[in-house]
Amino acid sequence: EVQLVESGGGLVKPGGSLRLSCAASGFTFSSYSMNWVRQAPGKGLEWVASISSSSGFTYYANSVKGRFTISRDNAKNSLYLQMNSLRAEDTAVYYCVRCGMFGVTIFSNWFDPWGQGTLVTVSS
Amino acid sequence: QSVLTQPPSASGSPGQRVTMSCSGSDSNIGNNYVYWYQQFPGTAPKLLIYKTNQRPSGVPDRFSGSKSGTSASLAISGLRSEDEADYYCAVWDDSLSGWVFGGGTKLTVL
Repeated sequence: EVQLVESGGGLVKPGGSLRLSCAASGFTFSSYSMNWVRQAPGKGLEWVASISSSSGFTYYANSVKGRFTISRDNAKNSLYLQMNSLRAEDTAVYYCVRCGMFGVTIFSNWFDPWGQGTLVTVSS
Repeated sequence: QSVLTQPPSASGSPGQRVTMSCSGSDSNIGNNYVYWYQQFPGTAPKLLIYKTNQRPSGVPDRFSGSKSGTSASLAISGLRSEDEADYYCAVWDDSLSGWVFGGGTKLTVL
């Protein structure tokens, strides 16, 4: 069974940093591109970042470009999101999401499955 | 303001057919596949439709997707109470070089 378990969320002050992790199991992690998608409280979904299977390609939403960094460690079956210069508007549940098919480019792929999410709250 | 426009709400009675729209542009819907996700309150989203009109295994054939030009639609036939959820469309946007989601449609089963 595919499992994606996020951790690292919590309360952080504006301007602070946080690193999210996602532990993957139940599939060959190194074969799949991975993503982070967030959802502010009571709001819709917002794509944050994507990374290819070998880390050769990364993509970011304009709202986080230059502040967030997506990375992965295939030896540890783990995905990360380093978040710096955090703002109140970054407050959201952050989902770790696998791409639905291996061997397919990120932009021709889809989000499946999703982890349960970890809450990040940016507040003073 | 989402790049993709979805009506905030939709409703129907059990057994009815409902459709919900997702409007975009040439750089997203007009040139790429559309995906639909279903989300129940307090839970993670789930893939409902991929590559515009394909259903993953386990998704009932009551759900169907289509696209015409720069608009896409999700149709649910034989509406059931358990279909009450939020529905999001998503597409890769060539101009933004990133994924975009619609604002979501909240479906109410009357």
